[in-house]
Formats: sequence, structure tokens, C-alpha cells
Amino acid sequence: DAGITQSPRYKITETGRQVTLMCHQTWSHSYMFWYRQDLGHGLRLIYYSAAADITDKGEVPDGYVVSRSKTENFPLTLESATRSQTSVYFCASSDGGNHEQYFGPGTRLTVT
Amino acid sequence: AQTVTQSQPEMSVQEAETVTLSCTYDTSENNYYLFWYKQPPSRQMILVIRQEAYKQQNATENRFSVNFQKAAKSFSLKISDSQLGDTAMYFCAFMGDYGNNRLAFGKGNQVVVIP
Repeated sequence: DAGITQSPRYKITETGRQVTLMCHQTWSHSYMFWYRQDLGHGLRLIYYSAAADITDKGEVPDGYVVSRSKTENFPLTLESATRSQTSVYFCASSDGGNHEQYFGPGTRLTVT
Repeated sequence: AQTVTQSQPEMSVQEAETVTLSCTYDTSENNYYLFWYKQPPSRQMILVIRQEAYKQQNATENRFSVNFQKAAKSFSLKISDSQLGDTAMYFCAFMGDYGNNRLAFGKGNQVVVIP
């Protein structure tokens, strides 16, 4: 039972590069979310998806792109990485019914 | 957007003692859900306890309990008989009934349990 996984777990990239963070869940949950965690800010919502092909912006969407062609996958792309996007990124999923979110292990991204 | 406020960014507690973390939130909704998440050094987000706003009874999970004051929009977490494994960041989070299951987090409280 894999649950929710993220890859890579660690990534170092250069300013201006495109990078994609992957998120995969095995529960067929309808909702999926991307958060970033920065010191002093807690977790902030970047994008979320209520179902395949339905996505919407969260609190801090600028500089990020998401897609959801399949229920189980929700990749997050930084089209042109900036140093301010250095952060820990968490993916989460929810079936909507019990109002609980289940989190992946996180990806630590460093932009140099 | 909902706001969640946690004060006391870092707290220390002796092993076996009790510590209370405070959380306040702002909302105009009548029904919603509140959560406390624990984040140990492993970075994994672990759900500790949840409270539905329509339930008057405070939630309890083993050594963890909450004091939910709906009128005051307050949701504190009490950790009893603190253990070394309780050392972690604790985040308070809010989910509205009409918010597409989105969570709004507070900035977190670092709890350090001292042996």
C-alpha cells in the first residue's frame, strides 16, 4: 500500500531551469493539493485539483503550473525556477468525504 | 481567505509534563473542521487530532486533547504526559465546509520535550 508518494525527494536546480515535481497517490482520491513550506510561513497552498482535468489556484500560484490528466497524478512544474522558490514542497490528497488530507513525504528543492 | 494564528513559536516542556498550544482562526462559516498536525524532524506531516465545528464535545486522542471554543474561534491543543517523541513542529489548520477541502495552516509551534 504505497499511499501517496513524491519524487524526487531532493532536487537542486539552477535559476531559470524548468523543474517538475511528481506526486502520485494510489487511493483514487478526487482531491489533490500542492503546498510549499517555508520557515515562518507554515504551509501555503499553491494549487489544488478537485478531479482530473480540474485545477485551481491557491494562495501562492505565481511561477507554478499544474496539470491533472489522470486521477492519481498531480505534477507541479516550475517553468523558470527562481531562488525564492527554494522550499519544501508537499503534495496531499483527500477523498473529500472525511475532510482529511493525507500528505506525501515532501520534496526539498534548492534553486541556486 | 481564512486566517489561522499560532503564537508562541517555540516552547519547551519537561518529559511527563503538560504543554498547551494555542490557535485562533477567523471565519464567517458556521460549519468547518479544525486539525492539529505534527511534523517531526523526519518532515512527515502526521494528523494528530481533528474537530468538527458542529460537535460541542472536545476531541481526544490518547494523550492529545483539544479545547474548542467556537464563539471565541479558539482551538488549543493539550499534550499530556509529554514524551521525547512529541518533539516536533505542530501546525493548526482550518478547513471550511465550502472550500473544496483546502487547508489553511498556521505558522506552527516548535515543541521541544526535555528529558
